Amino acid sequence: DTEVTQTPKHLVMGMTNKKSLKCEQHMGHRAMYWYKQKAKKPPELMFVYSYEKLSINESVPSRFSPECPNSSLLNLHLHALQPEDSALYLCASSQVRQGTPSHFGNGTRLTVT
Amino acid sequence: GIQVEQSPPDLILQEGANSTLRCNFSDSVNNLQWFHQNPWGQLINLFYIPSGTKQNGRLSATTVATERYSLLYISSSQTTDSGVYFCAVEAGGTSYGKLTFGQGTILTVHP
Repeated sequence: DTEVTQTPKHLVMGMTNKKSLKCEQHMGHRAMYWYKQKAKKPPELMFVYSYEKLSINESVPSRFSPECPNSSLLNLHLHALQPEDSALYLCASSQVRQGTPSHFGNGTRLTVT
Repeated sequence: GIQVEQSPPDLILQEGANSTLRCNFSDSVNNLQWFHQNPWGQLINLFYIPSGTKQNGRLSATTVATERYSLLYISSSQTTDSGVYFCAVEAGGTSYGKLTFGQGTILTVHP
């Protein structure tokens, strides 16, 4: 699904760094999501935004801070991460109703050193 | 929460062979999607199929919602079909878009 664009593709950061992951979609979807995928595991939901408001936080540590500045953009701000936070971070979008497909970006592969 | 089980966990094929991947889920669903994740991590949407049958080239899928399972058929497999196949569901009565993924089937196709 290339209609959801994520940047950067790869990111290496130290535990004291602050960085941000970005996601953009132009499909008119008003629901956007962050998923985390550890190696050899399935993706797991982190956050859900609906109409630019946070609607679900799956008990994610506060060192991950999501932001939805407008209906097309979704950011994930990272601060004081741990090496175990190294993973593939996937963004997705969908319509705001049940029973509609989610469209995923290509992900950002994050390494925390 | 809803449980999603995929089988087999691993599958090794010779090019040209056919295969069937299965996804069982423990409760009613509003949405079911099949994804292919390639070795570069790209999660490619194959089918949106909460019920019924769909076909796309060499791939087809069937979901029998009343019996809580879905099948993904791959015919005449190619080496580019290698990767991980995920089934993901949105449980009935839950928030939209909250997908629960199965553990995946790792497919390796040898030339």
